[in-house]
Amino acid sequence: DAKTTQPNSMESNEEEPVHLPCNHSTISGTDYIHWYRQLPSQGPEYVIHGLTSNVNNRMASLAIAEDRKSSTLILHRATLRDAAVYYCILMTPPGSGAGSYQLTFGKGTKLSVIP
Amino acid sequence: DGGITQSPKYLFRKEGQNVTLSCEQNLNHDAMYWYRQDPGQGLRLIYYSQIVNDFQKGDIAEGYSVSREKKESFPLTVTSAQKNPTAFYLCASSIWNFYGYTFGSGTRLTVV
Repeated sequence: DAKTTQPNSMESNEEEPVHLPCNHSTISGTDYIHWYRQLPSQGPEYVIHGLTSNVNNRMASLAIAEDRKSSTLILHRATLRDAAVYYCILMTPPGSGAGSYQLTFGKGTKLSVIP
Repeated sequence: DGGITQSPKYLFRKEGQNVTLSCEQNLNHDAMYWYRQDPGQGLRLIYYSQIVNDFQKGDIAEGYSVSREKKESFPLTVTSAQKNPTAFYLCASSIWNFYGYTFGSGTRLTVV
């Protein structure tokens, strides 16, 4: 399975932008980049996903490097409710061989938001 | 509202006993998954099912069993063969594995 590397922890001040990096140097051409976040004692929550182009939704933006070996999740204005563990995950579409049909979670980045 | 319901939220089990964790979804999702999470760790896949009456082992299936008799339900049994069952268990579902997963709120199992 393709792996991702994220910093263990990051801090941000409230109402400031946050850039959460993820390295995935072994990504294949068909792997999608997914981001989830998990609040304490809750299940993970889908945030955003993309393939090659940058993506925006109501929660966040995803910036993908041109060579696709890294990506950055951008929270435009951090709030206290954004304090969570953020997971960057590579997902292989169906029919692409080993690693399909499952999300493989690493340890993620624990984001702390300072009031 | 559609979603995934896991029950119970907290569960205590004596050593040597089997216990079944419930997972129900009303999202009409085809695929369902069980993950285990230990403190400070990421999630590890136990079992997954793409369709009714079919399921596959994940990375840590030993000591666990599942069934998928209905599309809406995917119960997980933690057997006495699981050597270290104390953990946070999460159920998830998806339309197909490619799209975003929806997770339940989890069951925290403690062996006493």
